[in-house]
Amino acid sequence: GENVEQHPSTLSVQEGDSAVIKCTYSDSASNYFPWYKQELGKGPQLIIDIRSNVGEKKDQRIAVTLNKTAKHFSLHITETQPEDSAVYFCAASTDGGFKTIFGAGTRLFVKA
Amino acid sequence: EAGVVQSPRYKIIEKKQPVAFWCNPISGHNTLYWYLQNLGQGPELLIRYENEEAVDDSQLPKDRFSAERLKGVDSTLKIQPAELGDSAVYLCASSPHSATDTQYFGPGTRLTVL
Repeated sequence: GENVEQHPSTLSVQEGDSAVIKCTYSDSASNYFPWYKQELGKGPQLIIDIRSNVGEKKDQRIAVTLNKTAKHFSLHITETQPEDSAVYFCAASTDGGFKTIFGAGTRLFVKA
Repeated sequence: EAGVVQSPRYKIIEKKQPVAFWCNPISGHNTLYWYLQNLGQGPELLIRYENEEAVDDSQLPKDRFSAERLKGVDSTLKIQPAELGDSAVYLCASSPHSATDTQYFGPGTRLTVL
């Protein structure tokens, strides 16, 4: 089955710097890759997603890149702000498949 | 638009007691998921419903866990009897149609088994 690995587990950056979180997946059939942000005491919330027919997607300060050949995808947050501090999860799933597999999460600290 | 509603938000029980969690998905969403989230980990799927049909329950420990989604709307997840290792956050999510649609998560129920 699918396996998703996520790195780093913890990331600390200075406000205004960029943050990059990387994930790899094992199932070449996976074609949908969402990223979720989870704040304390809340459920994960989708922040951006990418499908396998696209190599990059951007939404204001966040962007996601996908390398299907290498089976890895990354989240990029630019101009980080203290409110970006949270746990971020990557995930992978397959059209018509039955599971979304989540990575273990990255705890991002943005220091003011 | 109301989000996914879960109750209770917190539950503390003694081991061997039963417990139930309730979820009301976003109106019109056909697909409902129950996930288990251990501390410091990502969500792990327990069961997925398409309308009232459980289409993937392979990760549900059926000796003690059960779930239902009568009428294809809200859903209940039950544990009987609870064990110490069941302490976790139980998340409910819904999506319009499939696993490649955006999933919208509820706030979760934090279960503590003493």
